[in-house]
Amino acid sequence: QSALTQPPSASGSPGQSVTISCTGTSSDVGAYNYVSWYQQHPGKAPKLMIYEVNKRPSEVPDRFSGSKSGNTASLTVSGLQAEDEADYYCSSSAGNPYVFGTGTKVTVL
Amino acid sequence: QAQLVESGGGVVQPGRSLTLSCAASGITFRNYGMHWVRQAPDKGLEWVALIWYDGSNKYYADSVKGRFTISRDNSKNTLYLQLNSLRAEDTAVYYCATHVAGTIKTWGQGTLVTVSS
Repeated sequence: QSALTQPPSASGSPGQSVTISCTGTSSDVGAYNYVSWYQQHPGKAPKLMIYEVNKRPSEVPDRFSGSKSGNTASLTVSGLQAEDEADYYCSSSAGNPYVFGTGTKVTVL
Repeated sequence: QAQLVESGGGVVQPGRSLTLSCAASGITFRNYGMHWVRQAPDKGLEWVALIWYDGSNKYYADSVKGRFTISRDNSKNTLYLQLNSLRAEDTAVYYCATHVAGTIKTWGQGTLVTVSS
């Protein structure tokens, strides 16, 4: 099972928006709406930010949003804040049954 | 509030075995499927295994199939991962996490396994 493809890095200034892509195949991202996004700060455990493509846990700010088109899912962080600087991973409930993305480091300039 | 606490990590020689535990509190453990996910030093996340709420089904990543065994004791609110025939590439922080409606939801803080001679 191959990892989902994410860009290694993304950046934006405070207040700006950044979008991270997550590309899979018709057997994982394209086949299911079980796409999730996780935020991980250095030395910490991952935290669920988005589930089922575009749903947000109650404790996650509405600055975080998710979408999907075909085999590619996306996470958008609007109104960037310093605390958003972290690694972000997507995941898909594929046939195996789970696979993660390669990870994207978001830097707030 | 769900809390998951992993334990059992440490330094182990190649080829040896180790058992990790994950103690759950704040949830009705027997109602949840559970995952193990690992992260090698300075690397990304790798899904390892999933067990259904009642232990009736288990799934493994190809990289650990035949060497690792996931199990649970619902009477003790505890999840386990038996790691056999350990290799250097199994060195990682191992996280347990809850499974909710197709999503890996709540994570523990992780326990470090180092495979080295």
